[in-house]
Amino acid sequence: NAGVTQTPKFRVLKTGQSMTLLCAQDMNHEYMYWYRQDPGMGLRLIHYSVGEGTTAKGKVPDGYNVSRLKKQNFLLGLESAAPSQTSVYFCASSFRTGSGNTIYFGEGSWLTVV
Amino acid sequence: GENVEQHPSTLSVQEGDSAVIKCTYSDSASNYFPWYKQELGKRPQLIIDIRSNVGEKKDQRIAVTLNKTAKHFSLHITETQPEDSAVYFCAASPMYSGGGADGLTFGKGTHLIIQP
Repeated sequence: NAGVTQTPKFRVLKTGQSMTLLCAQDMNHEYMYWYRQDPGMGLRLIHYSVGEGTTAKGKVPDGYNVSRLKKQNFLLGLESAAPSQTSVYFCASSFRTGSGNTIYFGEGSWLTVV
Repeated sequence: GENVEQHPSTLSVQEGDSAVIKCTYSDSASNYFPWYKQELGKRPQLIIDIRSNVGEKKDQRIAVTLNKTAKHFSLHITETQPEDSAVYFCAASPMYSGGGADGLTFGKGTHLIIQP
């Protein structure tokens, strides 16, 4: 059982380039999330989805777009990468939210923008 | 939206001693409070959680307490061991009456160092 998998794990981008991070989960979870983690800032929610075909903004959505065309996949796009987007990105999923539904994280994607 | 404050940012304790990490939250609608442990270079993993209808929960050497009136919750680790060294995150999750949700709001983390 793979759980939550992310690709790629490491990537270096030049400023202005675009890229897509792919997240896949095999637990039939309704909810999926993208977080970014920066030193001293904890985990901050970028975007999330409450089901196939839905997306919503989290607390730091600027510069990112997402899509959830299939229930098991949640894509995070950077249209024009900036050095401020250098971070570790974590995808996560859960059956629902709140009330004790555990959130499971992927292994992380290390992105550097130069 | 929800805001979670976590203290201290770094905690160093002697092996075998206890460690306590404290968090406060702002949204009275929050009803789920998990704690995650993250080892260096790895993903956060759930170690224990508590719901708002419970004041305390224990799992071996780990316990969490919740004070809803004061809006704070704490993680207690007893008899600390070297493998407890990691970054610990508290989080809170509100469930709004309208059914919307925005996932977990995390504290900024506590780097726990176990001194041999």
